[in-house]
Amino acid sequence: GQNIDQPTEMTATEGAIVQINCTYQTSGFNGLFWYQQHAGEAPTFLSYNVLDGLEEKGRFSSFLSRSKGYSYLLLKELQMKDSASYLCAVRTASGGSYIPTFGRGTSLIVHP
Amino acid sequence: ETGVTQSPTHLIKTRGQQVTLRCSSQSGHNTVSWYQQALGQGPQFIFQYYREEENGRGNFPPRFSGLQFPNYSSELNVNALELDDSALYLCASSWGGGANTEAFFGQGTRLTVV
Repeated sequence: GQNIDQPTEMTATEGAIVQINCTYQTSGFNGLFWYQQHAGEAPTFLSYNVLDGLEEKGRFSSFLSRSKGYSYLLLKELQMKDSASYLCAVRTASGGSYIPTFGRGTSLIVHP
Repeated sequence: ETGVTQSPTHLIKTRGQQVTLRCSSQSGHNTVSWYQQALGQGPQFIFQYYREEENGRGNFPPRFSGLQFPNYSSELNVNALELDDSALYLCASSWGGGANTEAFFGQGTRLTVV
C-alpha cells in the first residue's frame, strides 16, 4: 500500500512564510497533488508535480523530489484566509487505473 | 463554485439500511471519483468511474458500489450500513480517466449512521 506522512498541525504568523512537508512511500508513482480544504468545505486544487523541481503559482509553490519521496508546499505572504487543512495526495498508476491516496492533512493556523 | 453538485447534503440512516448518494459532474468531464472522509482525516479513495465503467478501486468492501450514467453523473450505493460509515462523502469530477492534473470536488454529503 501507500504511506503518506505530513505534520498534523502547524502555526504561523500573518505575512510570514510556511513550508508544509509531505513524505511518501509508493510504487507506480504518477504525480503528487496538494489541495486546500477549509473547515466544512470541499478540497480545492492547489498544485500538481510529476517531475522533480519547483512549481510556482502566485503565493504558493510546490516542490517534488521523486528519489527522496518528498514534497513540500510553500506558502508566502500568509493571510488569515490561508488557515485551512492542506492535503498531500499521491497518485499511482497500474494497469490503466489511477489511484489517488491522500495524507491525513496538515491543519495550518495563521494568527495575527 | 466548481459546478460539481452532490445530493443530499446531509443524511441520517439507521445501521443495516442502504443509502444512495448522487453526484453531477462538471460540464465536459467524463470521470467521477468517490471518497470517504472521516473527521480529522484525509479523503480515502473509494472508486472511480470513467465512461460508465469502474476503472479504479480503493480498499473498500463490495457493499460499496457505484454507477455512472451516460451524462457522466454518478451514484454511490452503500448497503448494510455500519456505524463506521458515518463520514463526509465527496465526489470529484475530472476529464480523462484519472490521468488529468486537476479534479474538482463537490461540497459532499454528510452521512450519519445511528
